[in-house]
Amino acid sequence: KAGVTQTPRYLIKTRGQQVTLSCSPISGHRSVSWYQQTPGQGLQFLFEYFSETQRNKGNFPGRFSGRQFSNSRSEMNVSTLELGDSALYLCASSLVGQKNEQYFGPGTRLTVT
Amino acid sequence: AQKVTQAQTEISVVEKEDVTLDCVYETRDTTYYLFWYKQPPSGELVFLIRRNSFDEQNEISGRYSWNFQKSTSSFNFTITASQVVDSAVYFCALSDPTGTASKLTFGTGTRLQVTL
Repeated sequence: KAGVTQTPRYLIKTRGQQVTLSCSPISGHRSVSWYQQTPGQGLQFLFEYFSETQRNKGNFPGRFSGRQFSNSRSEMNVSTLELGDSALYLCASSLVGQKNEQYFGPGTRLTVT
Repeated sequence: AQKVTQAQTEISVVEKEDVTLDCVYETRDTTYYLFWYKQPPSGELVFLIRRNSFDEQNEISGRYSWNFQKSTSSFNFTITASQVVDSAVYFCALSDPTGTASKLTFGTGTRLQVTL
């Protein structure tokens, strides 16, 4: 079974631009969560989507948004990029009923210059 | 608010030594899940174990073992006879109390360096 895939793996953007990251969950997994990892703040939960609906949200500004499609694939968008948005963005998927046993993708490393 | 503390920032051991990674958590909830993940240099978080708050049995899986003690709010992880391939950052995490939402609170991680 293929694991969680994330595209692109690396991205360089300029302050003020916007960016869209993509995540394809493991086949059959309907829950997708996003996390931001930085050296200063560690791993922080961004949001979770289930059946195309945002089910939970972390403490991030409105510049961070996401969505989920009917095939469970998810995208997250960051608008008006700031230098502090430079991070590894990790996506995780889980099978409903497995009580949060999440499987993570390799991440997208975003650098904002 | 939920909190996970991994006081050990970095641990260095020589191959074949045993090593224990500490994890202390705080939560007001009676039902919760605890996790350990491994993050090798490639960046992908690898799931190691999940334990629910009602199951205080210790678990052993090969060279890995976990000691969950609710009385001290600790969920420690021991690697026996460490190997160079164990070198990674290890994260302890606590689930959202609802048990259905996939929101994890992570500790700051412990970097384990195993040398020959």
